[in-house]
Parts: sequence; structure tokens; C-alpha cells
Amino acid sequence: NAGVTQTPKFRILKIGQSMTLQCAQDMNHNYMYWYRQDPGMGLKLIYYSVGAGITDKGEVPNGYNVSRSTTEDFPLRLELAAPSQTSVYFCASSSIGTNTEAFFGQGTRLTVV
Amino acid sequence: TQLLEQSPQFLSIQEGENLTVYCNSSSVFSSLQWYRQEPGEGPVLLVTVVTGGEVKKLKRLTFQFGDARKDSSLHITAAQPGDTGLYLCAGAIFNKFYFGSGTKLNVKP
Repeated sequence: NAGVTQTPKFRILKIGQSMTLQCAQDMNHNYMYWYRQDPGMGLKLIYYSVGAGITDKGEVPNGYNVSRSTTEDFPLRLELAAPSQTSVYFCASSSIGTNTEAFFGQGTRLTVV
Repeated sequence: TQLLEQSPQFLSIQEGENLTVYCNSSSVFSSLQWYRQEPGEGPVLLVTVVTGGEVKKLKRLTFQFGDARKDSSLHITAAQPGDTGLYLCAGAIFNKFYFGSGTKLNVKP
């Protein structure tokens, strides 16, 4: 029962470096999401996707990019890391419907120094 | 600006006490979820409410969706130390989930 798998779990980046956070789901969900969670806070939506080839901005998209070439994978790209991007990043997926839930990965803790 | 306002932000109570957490918005949601999150883990769903006025019970937890589908509450009866954690509400609009800022609950033995 893999569900939503995120890699890596931890990463330290220097200012200006780039990296890709990987996310894969095996539940055949159409919807996938990237959230960031700052300490003691709720989750802010960065980007989401309603299916392969379709992505859209969420509440806090600046500094990030995404792609959705397959149903299973939804990577998040940071091009020029900044200290303000230090956070815990969660990937999630859900099926279509009103009575649906989001299934979350275990998160990637990113520190930019 | 936060689409969903959650209160209180922090709650520290003694074992056996009752508590209520509120989640309010000016937006109408197709459904509202309550999640619980442990340190170092992703949020895990507790319940989904869909119909205005709906009440759901999960052991000592009671969830209510407002009649207008803009607000919700979570009531815990006789809190236990095992209830300690971060409680998050999330409203769904066209399959996009908007989260409240969370309530950090600490139940002391």
C-alpha cells in the first residue's frame, strides 16, 4: 500500500541552487497537489493538477514550477532556492467527486541556507 | 489572507475536559474535511462532511457542518492525552482543498 510517495525526505540547499521534489501516487487519482507548511501553520496550496498535461497555480506559486506528464507523477521544481522557501512540502492526491479526501505523502523537509 | 479561519490556534487542557475547535469562512464549500497531523507526518483524514447541517460522530469526536456550508466545528468530549496533535480543517472547492491555519492541541495527563 504505497499511496503517495515523496522523495527526498530531507534536503539542505544553498541559496540559488535548484532541485526537484519527486511525488508519485499509485491510486490512479486524477488530482494531485503540492502544499507547503511553515512551522505550526496550516498548508498553503502551491500548484495543483487535474490530470496529465494540465496544471494550475494555487495560492503561493511564485518560485516554483510543476509538470504532469503522467497520471502517477507530479514533480515540483525550485529553480533559484531562497531562504523563504524553507518549509515542509507535502504532495497529495485525490479522486474526482464532492465526497473525496486528499491523501498525503510524508513530506519533504527543505532548508535553504 | 486565509480562506478558512481556524480557532483557537493553541489549546492546552487537562485530561477529561471538553473542547471545541472552529473553522469559519465567507466561502461556500462542496465539502469540508478535518485532518489530524502528527509531528513529521502528513495530515490524515478524520472525517468529511458534505451536507449543510450534517453532524458526524467518531467516538469522542463530533463534527458539524454549518447549514450554509461555510463553517464547521470539531468537539472533543473527555479529551485524552492521545488526542494531542495538530487539527486542520480543509474546505473543498472544485476538488481544490484550502486549509485552515490549524489548532495545536495539547492534552495534559
